[in-house]
Amino acid sequence: QQQVKQSPQSLIVQKGGISIINCAYENTAFDYFPWYQQFPGKGPALLIAIRPDVSEKKEGRFTISFNKSAKQFSLHIMDSQPGDSATYFCAASTSNTGKLIFGQGTTLQVKP
Amino acid sequence: KAGVTQTPRYLIKTRGQQVTLSCSPISGHRSVSWYQQTPGQGLQFLFEYFSETQRNKGNFPGRFSGRQFSNSRSEMNVSTLELGDSALYLCASSLERSREETQYFGPGTRLLVL
Repeated sequence: QQQVKQSPQSLIVQKGGISIINCAYENTAFDYFPWYQQFPGKGPALLIAIRPDVSEKKEGRFTISFNKSAKQFSLHIMDSQPGDSATYFCAASTSNTGKLIFGQGTTLQVKP
Repeated sequence: KAGVTQTPRYLIKTRGQQVTLSCSPISGHRSVSWYQQTPGQGLQFLFEYFSETQRNKGNFPGRFSGRQFSNSRSEMNVSTLELGDSALYLCASSLERSREETQYFGPGTRLLVL
C-alpha cells in the first residue's frame, strides 16, 4: 500500500516534443505529490509538486496532472529540450510523516 | 546560501566493517532525512530527524542507525557492512517537518562494499 508505481522506465523524445511520465499510488492517505529531477552525479532536485485538491499545476514547461479518483498523477514536459535529459522521480507523502515514497524513476533522453 | 553537503563523497569499505556518513543541512533547516538509492530498489527512505529526535524510520535493519546534533548536522552509521549496502546515500534537509516543505537533497555519498 506504500508503493508508488512509475512508468515508463525510460523515454526517448525528440527536441520540441512532449514527454509524459505517469505514476500510480494505492495509499489514499497520500496528500503531497512532488516530482524530482536528478542529473548524473547530483542529488534529486524538486521540480514541481501538487496537492490532491487541485487537478493540474503548471510551472513553465512542466505540468502535473492529478486524477484523485484513479489515484494517478503524471508529469508533462512541453517543448522538451536536450537539457531536460535526466532521471525523473515521482513521489508521495502523507501529512503526518513527511517521508517521501519514490517511484522507480524514468530516464528521459531528449534527442536534438 | 550553501546547499546540503555530504561527506565523504566516495567511500570503499569491506564486508563486516562499519561506516559513518555525515550530512550538513542548509543553514536554518531543522529536518534531515536519509535515503538509500540503488539501481534495483530505487530511492528508499531510511529515517528522518527533527530537532535531534528520530521522527520516522523506514524498513531497514537495525544495522542502519543515525543521529542528529544540536546544530542540525546529522550522521548515519551502518554496522557490519554487507555487499548489498553498496549504494548512493542521500541526505535531504527541509526547514520544518511539514509535508509541503521542499526537501533539498545533497549530492550523496557513494558507498562501495567489497
